[in-house]
Parts: sequence; C-alpha cells; structure tokens
Amino acid sequence: GAGVSQTPSNKVTEKGKYVELRCDPISGHTALYWYRQSLGQGPEFLIYFQGTGAADDSGLPNDRFFAVRPEGSVSTLKIQRTERGDSAVYLCASSSTGTENTEAFFGQGTRLTVV
Amino acid sequence: GQSLEQPSEVTAVEGAIVQINCTYQTSGFYGLSWYQQHDGGAPTFLSYNALDGLEETGRFSSFLSRSDSYGYLLLQELQMKDSASYFCAVLMNRDDKIIFGKGTRLHILP
Repeated sequence: GAGVSQTPSNKVTEKGKYVELRCDPISGHTALYWYRQSLGQGPEFLIYFQGTGAADDSGLPNDRFFAVRPEGSVSTLKIQRTERGDSAVYLCASSSTGTENTEAFFGQGTRLTVV
Repeated sequence: GQSLEQPSEVTAVEGAIVQINCTYQTSGFYGLSWYQQHDGGAPTFLSYNALDGLEETGRFSSFLSRSDSYGYLLLQELQMKDSASYFCAVLMNRDDKIIFGKGTRLHILP
C-alpha cells in the first residue's frame, strides 16, 4: 500500500482479555517498529524487527506482550491478559534500511482501551 | 538507560522564530531525527542529522553537535498550522531502533 496501515483503528476490550493489533508496513520496508504512546508523551519503544526476526525486543514491558512478523511484512502485536494500564495508542512504523537518511513512516495507530 | 531531554512546552508568536533543543544520553548514536505530530495524528518525519552542522529544509532547520550530544530544531516564519508536538529521536545505530524524546508542545499565538 501507499502507507503504513494499522488495524483496528480503535479497540475496546475488557480487562483480562487477549488482543491482537495488526500492522501492514510500506511494501519493501525491511525495518518495522512498534511503539506505545500515552497522552502527552513521546512514542515509547517496544520492539524492532529487521526482516522476520526481532532485532531488539528490549522495550516490551513484560511477558504479556509479544510480536511476530513471520514473513517479513505484516506484523502482529499480541497482548495477553490485558490490564487497564495497557490503554494507549499503539503505533507502528516502517523504514527502508541501508540508506543514510533513515526516515520512519508511521501508521495512524490503534487506540486500545482496556475497561 | 536512554535519555532524551527536550522542553515540555514552548510558546511563540505567529511569524516569529522558535528553537527547540534536545540533549541526549544514549548507549549508541548514529543520527538525530525530528518528527512533528499534530493532535490525533501520526508522527511525521521532518529532518535527520548524522553529521555536525545545520541542515535546512524550507522553513525548518535542524542542527547537531555530536561532541555536545545536543541538537535543535529551528522553525522560522511560524504559522498557526505549526502548532503541534515536536519530538527528537535518536537512531541508535545503522539499521537499529529509534528512541524518541517525550516531545515539546509548541503553542503559537496570533
């Protein structure tokens, strides 16, 4: 597609439920990032993929969070046993690595609300 | 840990010039980027500095001093549409993660 696509745009779930957030990056972009953003804060790094592998998952807050990118394109962020503190906007970005002018292109995000 | 410091809010007048500073302490550094985010929108890329000095793109310029771990974004001829949050971001290494600061909210007065 022309840009990074994230679905759903909004997700309301009950505490304790499982959710999956999807990111479809720009075609050909090998790098994919997941961030979490709370109101008035900057994007908080969660995980970074280079191709199919998670090159850096040091930002995942705990083992309830997991992300995959099985074919090196679409990625899914999975959150188990959701808590109210997980409520935030989850942003996905992709970039074409190997260039000097490294620009990350962001999707519009998924607003997750845990009630 | 990684630390990027920038002012939380800045206020300026339409037509004026404003500078938003960023200092960083990170375990790696390859380059410094700036992003703009309007309320309810996605962050969008503004500029990138890998080398010391000033990069100019229209009304926006960005500066980097690697020895001082410092950079700034300069916005000239401010327009009301420039009201947004601005984030500095560090690319940790070539083909590596990008870490963002907490953002500076820019308010523009008519």
